[in-house]
Amino acid sequence: NAGVTQTPKFQVLKTGQSMTLQCAQDMNHEYMSWYRQDPGMGLRLIHYSVGAGITDQGEVPNGYNVSRSTTEDFPLRLLSAAPSQTSVYFCASSQDRSRTDTQYFGPGTRLTVL
Amino acid sequence: AQKITQTQPGMFVQEKEAVTLDCTYDTSDQSYGLFWYKQPSSGEMIFLIYQGSYDEQNATEGRYSLNFQKARKSANLVISASQLGDSAMYFCAMRGRQGGSEKLVFGKGTKLTVNP
Repeated sequence: NAGVTQTPKFQVLKTGQSMTLQCAQDMNHEYMSWYRQDPGMGLRLIHYSVGAGITDQGEVPNGYNVSRSTTEDFPLRLLSAAPSQTSVYFCASSQDRSRTDTQYFGPGTRLTVL
Repeated sequence: AQKITQTQPGMFVQEKEAVTLDCTYDTSDQSYGLFWYKQPSSGEMIFLIYQGSYDEQNATEGRYSLNFQKARKSANLVISASQLGDSAMYFCAMRGRQGGSEKLVFGKGTKLTVNP
């Protein structure tokens, strides 16, 4: 198993550009989520999905879109990049949404918006 | 609402010694899970250990153990025989519902430095 994979590892964008951060998992997990990690702010939830075709907003969803057409993939789209979106982005997955279920993280994408 | 508190911003330990990283939590749920993650300087989030609220025994995974005291709402991570590679940020987390979202709630983390 590759676990949770994310691409790219690093990305530099100019303000106003759009891009998609890719996330995939091969563990047949139902629950997938996106977090961003900023110094002094910890990890904050952007969007999550409890299964294919079902997504919901986290605490910082503005400026981001997600969709979940398959169990394996959960891409995060930045519609019009802003410097405030400079951050490290983590995708995570777990078997389900149970509060006792472990979430496994991908390696992260370091995004810089100029 | 769930809350995780890690009161130690930084900890130092000598190689081969044991170290305890503190974590207290707050929740009104009866069923919950507590997790510890390690984040080395390379940036990835590595799952270390899990403790369920109904587990009667403290969790152990190799050199990691969790000192779970339910009545005190604490879930301290114990690392035995510290190694230089243990130097990293350590995050305690609880899974639950906060602000209308199902998510992991993280503490602010403890930076552990292992000295040779």
